[in-house]
Amino acid sequence: SQTIHQWPATLVQPVGSPLSLECTVEGTSNPNLYWYRQAAGRGLQLLFYSVGIGQISSEVPQNLSASRPQDRQFILSSKKLLLSDSGFYLCAWGAANYGYTFGSGTRLTVV
Amino acid sequence: GQQVMQIPQYQHVQEGEDFTTYCNSSTTLSNIQWYKQRPGGHPVFLIQLVKSGEVKKQKRLTFQFGEAKKNSSLHITATQTTDVGTYFCAGEGSNYKLTFGKGTLLTVNP
Repeated sequence: SQTIHQWPATLVQPVGSPLSLECTVEGTSNPNLYWYRQAAGRGLQLLFYSVGIGQISSEVPQNLSASRPQDRQFILSSKKLLLSDSGFYLCAWGAANYGYTFGSGTRLTVV
Repeated sequence: GQQVMQIPQYQHVQEGEDFTTYCNSSTTLSNIQWYKQRPGGHPVFLIQLVKSGEVKKQKRLTFQFGEAKKNSSLHITATQTTDVGTYFCAGEGSNYKLTFGKGTLLTVNP
């Protein structure tokens, strides 16, 4: 069965510090991978998606970047965090016409 | 771009009452999906509707997809405290990307 792992679960980082969140998927090959952010208002905002190694599409221009160095690994990064980067970050995998499977998420607080 | 509107934002009910949340898309969808997010948790896939006018049931939950494939609803009969959470609809357009509604937060008073 397919599983998705996301870590860390909670992170408190100072403004201006770098960020690296990792997501890995098991039990499937060449998955479509997604990074979402959920702010206090509950909506899910698509940040990046990837259909293959090295292929990244950005949905919202911002302080973040994403990379996919391996087929089942998706990384969300920032060189310098802003206060506005605080939120709940969710990784997901999915394919056309199937539901998305979300990771357990990372709660990021930038202080 | 594609927009998905969901109402209401909040709904508080007494246990045993029914609950409905509605979803409308600005464009025709290839399918619509529903997710539930428990407080403090992550969204969990509930169901996908593909066909125009489709109705699916999961125990006390009834999901409908409109004839024009632009709207959908989730109805819960006789709510229980375990139904508490935020319910999201998500529409998939022709580009295979999901656009989520802002969700409906359901609270249930026992």
